[in-house]
Amino acid sequence: SQQGEEDPQALSIQEGENATMNCSYKTSINNLQWYRQNSGRGLVHLILIRSNEREKHSGRLRVTLDTSKKSSSLLITASRAADTASYFCATDEETSGSRLTFGEGTQLTVNP
Amino acid sequence: DSGVTQTPKHLITATGQRVTLRCSPRSGDLSVYWYQQSLDQGLQFLIQYYNGEERAKGNILERFSAQQFPDLHSELNLSSLELGDSALYFCASSAASGQGVGTIYFGEGSWLTVV
Repeated sequence: SQQGEEDPQALSIQEGENATMNCSYKTSINNLQWYRQNSGRGLVHLILIRSNEREKHSGRLRVTLDTSKKSSSLLITASRAADTASYFCATDEETSGSRLTFGEGTQLTVNP
Repeated sequence: DSGVTQTPKHLITATGQRVTLRCSPRSGDLSVYWYQQSLDQGLQFLIQYYNGEERAKGNILERFSAQQFPDLHSELNLSSLELGDSALYFCASSAASGQGVGTIYFGEGSWLTVV
């Protein structure tokens, strides 16, 4: 079953614009991670935020986590055509402890 | 390159057949995860092994089985294949012991087409 729900399902923007993707989840978590997948390829880890953290940055990426609302957002600033991919949030649930549960993903298209 | 190696990359087989997908984790990683990705069901967790032992089980069908060998490579066996088993099967690995999952590293996947 899917833990996370991403919003929007698809996002199309112009190069240079910012892209924001949201993720909601249902249960208490140890951490939340974001992954990127180019079409038909393996997923690549982007960033991990722990349940006691509220915001984290990595290069052009900014992730926020609101455990009270059980939600997270991923912001990609100054987007590039090469950022075109699917983005997934993944949760490490407190009760499972041994798996990452992935959302359905947001398909981001950055137009040159 | 994540360091996780999966073979074969592509596989076409007939319904009712059996296939084996192979995974070599990153050097030093003791945990191996198997995921199935299909258009209608998204990315589904199948099973996790840690140092040869099964640690967690997800939506894995009874027709599917997996194991992790002493050299830490893993195999996913899919039998009595049905058309609906057509999907991209990912192996991933991490150093985690199972008490909380950190970053996991994905292979490039094995594309299975059942005809």
